[in-house]
Amino acid sequence: DSGVTQTPKHLITATGQRVTLRCSPRSGDLSVYWYQQSLDQGLQFLIQYYNGEERAKGNILERFSAQQFPDLHSELNLSSLELGDSALYFCASSVAVGVSGNTIYFGEGSWLTVV
Amino acid sequence: AQKITQTQPGMFVQEKEAVTLDCTYDTSDQSYGLFWYKQPSSGEMIFLIYQGSYDEQNATEGRYSLNFQKARKSANLVISASQLGDSAMYFCAMRGTVYGGATNKLIFGTGTLLAVQP
Repeated sequence: DSGVTQTPKHLITATGQRVTLRCSPRSGDLSVYWYQQSLDQGLQFLIQYYNGEERAKGNILERFSAQQFPDLHSELNLSSLELGDSALYFCASSVAVGVSGNTIYFGEGSWLTVV
Repeated sequence: AQKITQTQPGMFVQEKEAVTLDCTYDTSDQSYGLFWYKQPSSGEMIFLIYQGSYDEQNATEGRYSLNFQKARKSANLVISASQLGDSAMYFCAMRGTVYGGATNKLIFGTGTLLAVQP
């Protein structure tokens, strides 16, 4: 158990819908990352938050948004869903930005299927 | 730009034998970190081992060791005494230098699927 909690574990929804994925980082971790894993794209970095502020953006679509709340949990919102958004979405956390040695721990992922 | 290359899409190994999974990287950073993660068929991403670019000794964690050759920019994972439960996808990843507010996201390779045979 990595200590990173993601919900829901599985989600099936229709095209055009909107879903929210939730992540609770490990206790004490300030930085949260979201990754998307699909068969054709591999593991893609989406976005990173540190202590409530957006720190870096990767290949995140405009239909997707995220935030980190004061209690450090994070949500990834996916809207106007398309079939191609079907993927495994990972949340990960680490203690801080700027500490080169610390490890990034991943949650178990949220499987999203768009039908 | 940073890049991770894993050239072995799939590998077989006999139970109880050792196996080496290859990883090469490219970066212009002087300080960086290299990671290996295991992803079983259930999907979770499990941290295995970390090597810092300035670490003088190769990292080891139980049956996992990282063969770090800085000049060759390689960070191969060695699994000793393979077990059936080691069958999974293995990803090599790198995190570059952090400057002030810069990100320390991970860049992943494409992975190697390891199958351990009884």
